[in-house]
Amino acid sequence: EVQLVESGGGLVQPGGSLRLSCAASGFTFSSYDMHWVRQATGKGLEWVSAIGTAGDTYYPGSVKGRFTISRENAKNSLYLQMNSLRAGDTAVYYCARGLYGTGMDVWGQGTTVTVSS
Amino acid sequence: EIVLTQSPATLSLSPGERATLSCRASQSVSSYLAWYQQKPGQAPRLLIYDASNRATGIPARFSGSGSGTDFTLTISSLEPEDFAVYYCQQRSNWPLITFGQGTRLEIK
Repeated sequence: EVQLVESGGGLVQPGGSLRLSCAASGFTFSSYDMHWVRQATGKGLEWVSAIGTAGDTYYPGSVKGRFTISRENAKNSLYLQMNSLRAGDTAVYYCARGLYGTGMDVWGQGTTVTVSS
Repeated sequence: EIVLTQSPATLSLSPGERATLSCRASQSVSSYLAWYQQKPGQAPRLLIYDASNRATGIPARFSGSGSGTDFTLTISSLEPEDFAVYYCQQRSNWPLITFGQGTRLEIK
């Protein structure tokens, strides 16, 4: 079964750091682009980062310089290192598999990050 | 940044009716557009990719159309399980990806 399972969420103070993990199974992880997408409570979806099969990384302006996406193909794992966290980063964070076309076709169940003092 | 505007914000229909959801891009995204369905407490589910291709396992009552700046998701005959929030997403200006703000499809 194709599956993504996120972990690492929790409560962190403003300015703190957190590292999210996403364990992939059931497919050839190294062959796919991977993404992180977040959703604040009651709000829409926001793309947070992507990593290509060659390790190339991409971010929107809202997290660039604070978040770092990485992958470890030998462990079928995706990571998101989040530094200098702000209240506005509070959300459910999903990892998702990138389709070769436009779209993300496999999603994890999400992990919740709360930034609060 | 390409902005996607979805309309209407909320659509109230009854089971069996036809649903038409719109997504308009601030500039052309060619056919680089996807549609997702999200139910409360669940992750999004890919319905349509590259504007008009149904994802694996998606029922035939879901269809996507459009190119350039105007796109439509049509549900031909609503089933009770179709009432949810729907999002469009573009990747035309890869690597920047944006989502629309969503359309809530509710039971009338």
